[in-house]
Amino acid sequence: GENVEQHPSTLSVQEGDSAVIKCTYSDSASNYFPWYKQELGKRPQLIIDIRSNVGEKKDQRIAVTLNKTAKHFSLHITETQPEDSAVYFCAASRSGNQFYFGTGTSLTVIP
Amino acid sequence: GAVVSQHPSWVICKSGTSVKIECRSLDFQATTMFWYRQFPKQSLMLMATSNEGSKATYEQGVEKDKFLINHASLTLSTLTVTSAHPEDSSFYICSARPGQADYGYTFGSGTRLTVV
Repeated sequence: GENVEQHPSTLSVQEGDSAVIKCTYSDSASNYFPWYKQELGKRPQLIIDIRSNVGEKKDQRIAVTLNKTAKHFSLHITETQPEDSAVYFCAASRSGNQFYFGTGTSLTVIP
Repeated sequence: GAVVSQHPSWVICKSGTSVKIECRSLDFQATTMFWYRQFPKQSLMLMATSNEGSKATYEQGVEKDKFLINHASLTLSTLTVTSAHPEDSSFYICSARPGQADYGYTFGSGTRLTVV
């Protein structure tokens, strides 16, 4: 089955700086890669996603890049704000079927 | 937008008892729902895929006789934790995909289960 690895497990940045979270996956058939933000005790919320036919996608301060050859994808958050503090999960899926999640990154934005 | 309602949000039960968790798609039909378990400070682990009108598909290592899944209608899936033990204490969360063209999942609000 799919194996998704995520790094780093914790990340602290100063407000206004950028944050980068990286994930790798093992199943070359995976073609959908969402990123979720989860606040403590709450449900994960989709923040951005990318399909395998696209190399990069951007939505305001958030961007995701995908390298299919290397089987890795990254989340980039620019101009970080305290409200960005949360746990972020990457996931890999075949056509939106079962999602296999990374281990999560706890992001802290220091005011 | 698509909403998945999950109940209860938290439950405490005694060891040996069973607990049922419901997951409903409120404004769309979900032929498939997914059940995840999340231990504190850990990732979401897929437990099983719930298919309307047929048996659920369980991930390796998940006891199908312990975690009973029923998906009797296009809007309701239930997870029953049978003979619960303290090690079953976890955050259980369901998800569903609103449409075939949209790969994005909608998650339920989760159920915090504590077995004492």
